[in-house]
Amino acid sequence: AQSVTQLDSQVPVFEEAPVELRCNYSSSVSVYLFWYVQYPNQGLQLLLKYLSGSTLVKGINGFEAEFNKSQTSFHLRKPSVHISDTAEYFCAVSMNRDDKIIFGKGTRLHILP
Amino acid sequence: NAGVTQTPKFQVLKTGQSMTLQCAQDMNHEYMSWYRQDPGMGLRLIHYSVGAGITDQGEVPNGYNVSRSTTEDFPLRLLSAAPSQTSVYFCASSYSARAHEQYFGPGTRLTVT
Repeated sequence: AQSVTQLDSQVPVFEEAPVELRCNYSSSVSVYLFWYVQYPNQGLQLLLKYLSGSTLVKGINGFEAEFNKSQTSFHLRKPSVHISDTAEYFCAVSMNRDDKIIFGKGTRLHILP
Repeated sequence: NAGVTQTPKFQVLKTGQSMTLQCAQDMNHEYMSWYRQDPGMGLRLIHYSVGAGITDQGEVPNGYNVSRSTTEDFPLRLLSAAPSQTSVYFCASSYSARAHEQYFGPGTRLTVT
């Protein structure tokens, strides 16, 4: 069965500094990968997704992620964070042969002034 | 379009009571799903549906029932509420599970005493 591991439950980072949120998945077949963001007291919204093609995917709000098949990773990055990026970020995976979408446990991004 | 709507927003139940969480979408999406969100656990899939008349279990289905009589609606029923079901419940929909963005409702915060 597929699974998703987000290695950090919380990440503190200073405003305007770069950040990387880590995500690893386990699956023996082709996968589709997603990052979602949840702002306080809201539902989730899509940041970006990898379906196929270029391994570097750009999303909204200046975020990007790189798919690394050999390391089964899909880490999320932003070169310079803003206070408005304070949120919880979820990595998710679905497989081509299954209809379940599995989420990681989430990473809380704390922006320090 | 209203997107994905959920009712109620908040609910308090006593142990043993039953209730139905409502979810509706107006985007003609075939795929709908229910998740529960608990601190430190991320989103866990309860049940999902790939179309009207078709439902299947997710990661944590015990204590919950679903049905999908129409494309638009996907209610979640708690048969006999337990304190362990205290959580925030999210409904989501998409064109399919495999490669498409999921659209989330605003959530229902349920407390079981």
